[in-house]
Amino acid sequence: GAGVSQSPRYKVAKRGQDVALRCDPISGHVSLFWYQQALGQGPEFLTYFQNEAQLDKSGLPSDRFFAERPEGSVSTLKIQRTQQEDSAVYLCASSLGLEDEQYFGPGTRLTVT
Amino acid sequence: AQSVTQLDSQVPVFEEAPVELRCNYSSSVSVYLFWYVQYPNQGLQLLLKYLSGSTLVKGINGFEAEFNKSQTSFHLRKPSVHISDTAEYFCAVRGSNDYKLSFGAGTTVTVRA
Repeated sequence: GAGVSQSPRYKVAKRGQDVALRCDPISGHVSLFWYQQALGQGPEFLTYFQNEAQLDKSGLPSDRFFAERPEGSVSTLKIQRTQQEDSAVYLCASSLGLEDEQYFGPGTRLTVT
Repeated sequence: AQSVTQLDSQVPVFEEAPVELRCNYSSSVSVYLFWYVQYPNQGLQLLLKYLSGSTLVKGINGFEAEFNKSQTSFHLRKPSVHISDTAEYFCAVRGSNDYKLSFGAGTTVTVRA
């Protein structure tokens, strides 16, 4: 595809529900990043993949957050037992290599009610 | 670790007037600096970046920024704005041997006719 795509674009979940957010990176991009952007804030790093390997998950806020990229392409960010504080825009970015420019998707806006 | 402070949360400006968005960073290591723009309901788009070399960096859409190491600043400027420049602007930093981007809280630019 032409860019990074994310789905769904909007998600409303009741507190306690599980959600799964999908990211389709640019074809051929080895590196994939997830960021969380709370309302009125800049994005904050969550986790990083190189191909299928999750090399850094230091930004995940709790063990309710889980990310995977099983075939080194599409990635899914899963949040279990959602809480109100999980409400945010979740951004995915991909890059050719680790230190190359990161290209961002449009984000998924998650609202937990 | 690095951190970024964007000194203005909102900047209203008239069309064809100049604009400057201020960004200061802190880091104990050498850094790369970036400015991203986010249009409504879209992902982040890279405007320009400083990696090394000339401290004056030119980017897309007529924007430029100047890296000032002594003042730890990377202010963004445009001599004449258009209505279409209305967006949110994020300054970001990462260590030269790192991959995690640290973002400021953003500056909302509103251009009025």
